[in-house]
Amino acid sequence: DAGVIQSPRHEVTEMGQEVTLRCKPISGHDYLFWYRQTMMRGLELLIYFNNNVPIDDSGMPEDRFSAKMPNASFSTLKIQPSEPRDSAVYFCASSLRQMNTDTQYFGPGTRLTVL
Amino acid sequence: KQEVTQIPAALSVPEGENLVLNCSFTDSAIYNLQWFRQDPGKGLTSLLLIQSSQREQTSGRLNASLDKSSGRSTLYIAASQPGDSATYLCAVSDTNAGKSTFGDGTTLTVKP
Repeated sequence: DAGVIQSPRHEVTEMGQEVTLRCKPISGHDYLFWYRQTMMRGLELLIYFNNNVPIDDSGMPEDRFSAKMPNASFSTLKIQPSEPRDSAVYFCASSLRQMNTDTQYFGPGTRLTVL
Repeated sequence: KQEVTQIPAALSVPEGENLVLNCSFTDSAIYNLQWFRQDPGKGLTSLLLIQSSQREQTSGRLNASLDKSSGRSTLYIAASQPGDSATYLCAVSDTNAGKSTFGDGTTLTVKP
């Protein structure tokens, strides 16, 4: 398996623009996580899905953020409108919840810069 | 709300030294604890996963221990190498088996 795939790897946009980040989890994994990492706040969980259903979105900072998982192999994180304070690295991770194993596998991240 | 603390924030050691990284958490009702490694500009790579019923896990030169009752975990690295230089993060997964809280990490530098 190619691992968790994220696109784009880098995104530079202007304030007010819509940004869509994409993630393809590892095939067969039933959990998908979106994280944000900044120097100031470290790694924060934004939202996670189980079997394509959002379970906990309490980490989503504002209504400007939304996430979807239309099927088991694809998820998006959308920011509309984007603001400079959204600049961060966004990671997607997936895992397979089984007895004695629950390792989260991370994608390479999308580095977002909002000017 | 679960809080995860890692001490020290940064550590520099000479090559060959054994070292211990610390992780503490406030809520002992956890599902598991995971140690990750992050290289600059890269994603996170899982190193070791300890289920709440386990006391330790080993992989090569790495050994992670878990004391759930005291809210502590340690990552022991034996015979450190320059290639071990990275940031090490611990993450605690809650009993709802999904939500993970990460520490801020310990940045390790191993000098040749």
